[in-house]
Amino acid sequence: NAGVMQNPRHLVRRRGQEARLRCSPMKGHSHVYWYRQLPEEGLKFMVYLQKENIIDESGMPKERFSAEFPKEGPSILRIQQVVRGDSAAYFCASSRGTVTDTQYFGPGTRLTVL
Amino acid sequence: DAKTTQPPSMDCAEGRAANLPCNHSTISGNEYVYWYRQIHSQGPQYIIHGLKNNETNEMASLIITEDRKSSTLILPHATLRDTAVYYCIVRVAAGANNLFFGTGTRLTVIP
Repeated sequence: NAGVMQNPRHLVRRRGQEARLRCSPMKGHSHVYWYRQLPEEGLKFMVYLQKENIIDESGMPKERFSAEFPKEGPSILRIQQVVRGDSAAYFCASSRGTVTDTQYFGPGTRLTVL
Repeated sequence: DAKTTQPPSMDCAEGRAANLPCNHSTISGNEYVYWYRQIHSQGPQYIIHGLKNNETNEMASLIITEDRKSSTLILPHATLRDTAVYYCIVRVAAGANNLFFGTGTRLTVIP
């Protein structure tokens, strides 16, 4: 059973460009979470989605960031007009449901903004 | 979710048991204790979780005190590959769905 998959693993963008990060949850999981880890810091929650719905985006910056989890295909975290401060590792996790279901993490995407 | 307190760093000799403590004195009755680890800059790896009973799986054991105010993660025979940052997280059974990662304990296994 494949784990959570994220791509690309490394992404380099210049300031002002767009970054698209993809996350495919584990088989049988319909809940996706995105976290961001700035250099030398802990993971910080960004957004929680179920298929076609954003459930909790309390950790998402109000501007330039958006997330979706369409009926078909991976979840996408989109960052428009990237700035140097967006450079970080972005991790996706998935779970079968909520409540006590365990979240399993992917390997992350390392975004570098030049 | 209740806050947790962990020592910032610990060392353990290879082959010995690593005992990682976590204080969660404000934990509520419906909050679970979860442990994850992050090896270098990889994605966090789930280790174990429990509510009030001690738990054991192929990776580790989790000992929760009777008053549930603290717990200990035990890696029975630490290897060099267990060097990582270990996070103790308390999580409400129903409610907020995100995990709050604090600063964790950096465990270094020494040859």
